[in-house]
Amino acid sequence: GAGVSQSPSNKVTEKGKDVELRCDPISGHTALYWYRQSLGQGLEFLIYFQGNSAPDKSGLPSDRFSAERTGGSVSTLTIQRTQQEDSAVYLCASKTGLLYNEQFFGPGTRLTVL
Amino acid sequence: KQEVTQIPAALSVPEGENLVLNCSFTDSAIYNLQWFRQDPGKGLTSLLLIQSSQREQTSGRLNASLDKSSGRSTLYIAASQPGDSATYLCAVCNSGNTPLVFGKGTRLSVIA
Repeated sequence: GAGVSQSPSNKVTEKGKDVELRCDPISGHTALYWYRQSLGQGLEFLIYFQGNSAPDKSGLPSDRFSAERTGGSVSTLTIQRTQQEDSAVYLCASKTGLLYNEQFFGPGTRLTVL
Repeated sequence: KQEVTQIPAALSVPEGENLVLNCSFTDSAIYNLQWFRQDPGKGLTSLLLIQSSQREQTSGRLNASLDKSSGRSTLYIAASQPGDSATYLCAVCNSGNTPLVFGKGTRLSVIA
């Protein structure tokens, strides 16, 4: 079956530009997560969607970051006025709404801000 | 605040050796713990998921144990192969559907 997909796989942008990263979760998964993996750092949580509840945005590093999830499926992470420190791999994961199920990760989007 | 530590940060072993990767976490009140594998430039592949009520899980040559009270988990890899070379990440879920808290990983190299 299809796993979590993300696009683009790589994105190079200039400082100050806006970027949009897309995540297609596994069909039927109600929970969706965005994480960031910076060079030499561990994965850090950014934002989390669960069903129709308000998203948990507690991990977003600044107000330049936002995300939405349309129709309970596809999610878009937007970074406005990108900075060089935003360069990282952005990973998306999804899981069913059942409490004990594992998270499944997409291949990630590698963002490079010049 | 939950913190996850993985030791060692890097490990190099000859092919065929059995090895143990360690993971510790500061808050023992976890829902589950998940071990992942990450190949260079790739996403994460889930290896094993241990619920808080379980002591271990096995998949092929992999065995993960959990000692929740002491805040520790180990990933045992038997008869290591060069194809096992990757970064192994440990992550805990504190409750329900909340996000995972990750360690920084152990980079494993298995030398033929």
